[in-house]
Amino acid sequence: NAGVMQNPRHLVRRRGQEARLRCSPMKGHSHVYWYRQLPEEGLKFMVYLQKENIIDESGMPKERFSAEFPKEGPSILRIQQVVRGDSAAYFCASSPEQGARTEAFFGQGTRLTVV
Amino acid sequence: AQTVTQSQPEMSVQEAETVTLSCTYDTSESNYYLFWYKQPPSRQMILVIRQEAYKQQNATENRFSVNFQKAAKSFSLKISDSQLGDTAMYFCAPFLCAGNMLTFGGGTRLMVKP
Repeated sequence: NAGVMQNPRHLVRRRGQEARLRCSPMKGHSHVYWYRQLPEEGLKFMVYLQKENIIDESGMPKERFSAEFPKEGPSILRIQQVVRGDSAAYFCASSPEQGARTEAFFGQGTRLTVV
Repeated sequence: AQTVTQSQPEMSVQEAETVTLSCTYDTSESNYYLFWYKQPPSRQMILVIRQEAYKQQNATENRFSVNFQKAAKSFSLKISDSQLGDTAMYFCAPFLCAGNMLTFGGGTRLMVKP
């Protein structure tokens, strides 16, 4: 059973471009969480999704950021018109059910660099 | 807003010795879960140990154990017989059942010295 897969591992974008980050949860997991980590800081919650539904997006900026988790395929975190402040590591985690009754498994993250 | 405080930004310990990392948090809930995650230089987030708030017994996983003080909202991690591979960032992360996410502390960078 492969773990949570994120790609790409590293992404470089020029200011104003779009960044698309992908996350394939573990097999059988229908809950996906996205977190952002700035250098030397902890992870900050962005958005929580179930299949085809956004459950909680309270940590995601209202502009330029969007997330989806379609019925088929990976979850996508999209950042439009990137700015230098978007440079960070973005982590995805998945779990088989809501809450912490079971462990949330993390991917290895995507490091976004905006130049 | 939930707050999680890890008051030790950096710590070091000699190999084979014991070290304790502190974590305090703020919540009005009575039912929640607590986690410690390890992030080595590879950046992979690895679960170290978990504790259910309704359990009075402190969790233990091999060399890792916690001291959970619910009234004080304190959740410290003790690493016994430290190994070089324990060198990493350690994050405390409560999961409140009313919320939808783990809330991470700022982390403690642990260096195990040979």
